[in-house]
Amino acid sequence: QMQLQESGPGLLKPSETLSLICNVSDDSITSDSYYWAWFRHPPGKGLEWIGSSFYSGITFLNPSLKSRAAISVDTAKNLFSLNLRSVTAAETAMFYCARLHRSGGYFDPWGPGTLVTVS
Amino acid sequence: SYELTQPPSVSVSPGQTARITCSGDAVPKQYSYWYQKKAGQAPIVVMYKDSRRPSGIPERFSGSSSGTTVTLTISGVQAEDEADYYCQSTDSSGTYVVFGGGTKLTVL
Repeated sequence: QMQLQESGPGLLKPSETLSLICNVSDDSITSDSYYWAWFRHPPGKGLEWIGSSFYSGITFLNPSLKSRAAISVDTAKNLFSLNLRSVTAAETAMFYCARLHRSGGYFDPWGPGTLVTVS
Repeated sequence: SYELTQPPSVSVSPGQTARITCSGDAVPKQYSYWYQKKAGQAPIVVMYKDSRRPSGIPERFSGSSSGTTVTLTISGVQAEDEADYYCQSTDSSGTYVVFGGGTKLTVL
């Protein structure tokens, strides 16, 4: 059963760039059936989609983050990554990666998440 | 920007039926999805394309759509169903993913 695992620094300072990696196991990131996505969940607030990316490089980003966010897919290492520039303390959140099924349109599975604190 | 509206909370007793609604202008044009999120756990999909249940999700979960509102129904609610539920869809262009604000289901 395929799994996703997020990794990255747990603590950042304001104005720094957040870099997270999502390792994909037991599935190929070059499958035509899926996109690969990032989300965040600030404490006490709702889920927010950051963006989704196809292995070819096609990427869709949340318009509210488009100027600061970037998602890239590394087909050689079977992982995808998120960069978010100029973070603020208000962006402290759990970050999740997930697989988007193109046919079903749903995100599944999700990684366990990684907490990023900006302070 | 496109928004989906959910009630902040729904409370039911065990064995009763819980209905969680989600409203948005693009609901008639785009499919909706539902995710269950328990504290400390990653979200899991419990309904996709309005009314299709993924394998492994109990039959007590069902979904429906009418006009600009989609509804997640949990029949015979169990204590383990207590969680936050998020509806998700896309804008009218189908490009951008949007979540509702989430509904906290409390099992009394």
